[in-house]
Amino acid sequence: DAGVIQSPRHEVTEMGQEVTLRCKPISGHDYLFWYRQTMMRGLELLIYFNNNVPIDDSGMPEDRFSAKMPNASFSTLKIQPSEPRDSAVYFCASRTGGDGYTFGSGTRLTVV
Amino acid sequence: GNSVTQMEGPVTLSEEAFLTINCTYTATGYPSLFWYVQYPGEGLQLLLKATKADDKGSNKGFEATYRKETTSFHLEKGSVQVSDSAVYFCALSSGSARQLTFGSGTQLTVLP
Repeated sequence: DAGVIQSPRHEVTEMGQEVTLRCKPISGHDYLFWYRQTMMRGLELLIYFNNNVPIDDSGMPEDRFSAKMPNASFSTLKIQPSEPRDSAVYFCASRTGGDGYTFGSGTRLTVV
Repeated sequence: GNSVTQMEGPVTLSEEAFLTINCTYTATGYPSLFWYVQYPGEGLQLLLKATKADDKGSNKGFEATYRKETTSFHLEKGSVQVSDSAVYFCALSSGSARQLTFGSGTQLTVLP
């Protein structure tokens, strides 16, 4: 298995632009999580899905952030409009029953 | 709510030194406890875990014991190597989705 695949690995964008981060979970995993990592706040859970349905989005910082999971093999995290304070590493993780999480390599977002 | 408190870093050791990284937690119910490791530019990898009180997780010479009485899960290694240089995260999982709550991370640098 190729693991959890995130794209792009790096994204540099200008303030105000729309940014879309992508994630392909491991086949058969029914939970998908989006995390954000910053120096100031560490690793924060943004949102998670179960069987493609958003369950808890209480960690999404603002309405500028949205996430979708149209099918079991694909999820997106969108920021519109982006701001410099959104600069962070965004991780996607998936798992099936139990505690067996697999993390992607992350997308490093820089908003200038 | 749930929380994880980790020893402040960074930690710098000489090769073959003994390592301890302290971790304490606050949680309702019966969480599972984890140590994850993050190498530069990569995602998080599971290092070890323990699912109930008095369990000892171990991997690659690292160990941690789930101590319910002290709500702790300290990471130890008897002899560190340069290749152990990374950021280490303590985490717990709880709730219906077993979502992870992370500590702030501890940067470890091992010098030859």
